Amino acid sequence: DTGVSQDPRHKITKRGQNVTFRCDPISEHNRLYWYRQTLGQGPEFLTYFQNEAQLEKSRLLSDRFSAERPKGSFSTLEIQRTEQGDSAMYLCASSSLLAGGPWEQFFGPGTRLTVL
Amino acid sequence: AQTVTQSQPEMSVQEAETVTLSCTYDTSENNYYLFWYKQPPSRQMILVIRQEAYKQQNATENRFSVNFQKAAKSFSLKISDSQLGDTAMYFCAFMRASGTYKYIFGTGTRLKVLA
Repeated sequence: DTGVSQDPRHKITKRGQNVTFRCDPISEHNRLYWYRQTLGQGPEFLTYFQNEAQLEKSRLLSDRFSAERPKGSFSTLEIQRTEQGDSAMYLCASSSLLAGGPWEQFFGPGTRLTVL
Repeated sequence: AQTVTQSQPEMSVQEAETVTLSCTYDTSENNYYLFWYKQPPSRQMILVIRQEAYKQQNATENRFSVNFQKAAKSFSLKISDSQLGDTAMYFCAFMRASGTYKYIFGTGTRLKVLA
């Protein structure tokens, strides 16, 4: 494994359905980030994990969003009762204080969500 | 709160020519990092170059260099000898050098290199 992976790459769902995305970070990275990127915009920070602890959540992360990182390895991002405004690319990134430094995050390919 | 502004939504350059992408930011922090990221049409973000705010010397990486003006809060990216593979979205990003180390991105500049 040489990079961050995300699954699925694409998800089409109907409004009101629940969706879950998965991110597998680089194995030695203890810091994991979720960002959301809408069309024509730069990525916006959603939430941050250090190991298994969720240490920061953006105001963008409404009550319908929940993220977990059990055992400090992979992470999941769930959106309940999806809305059309949730349509975006969801990016995961990881970094490490020890390997490379906290300033460089390595991004996955993203999960593109389309809510019909 | 920190903000990052990229005022050029789209730019084009002839192959082998030089192009400069602009970025300004606003912060009250003294210790921070600035970045340029490239997002090709496949959409995976790739780090192009990083600048530490405490360093006066501008960062360079092969054909990529920055002009960092701390007092003016300006951070431009110069691409020399442009190649077709440089065609991508370019995002300027800010990061506080403490705490979460999260990125704050600008809205991006779409660069097209013309053959």
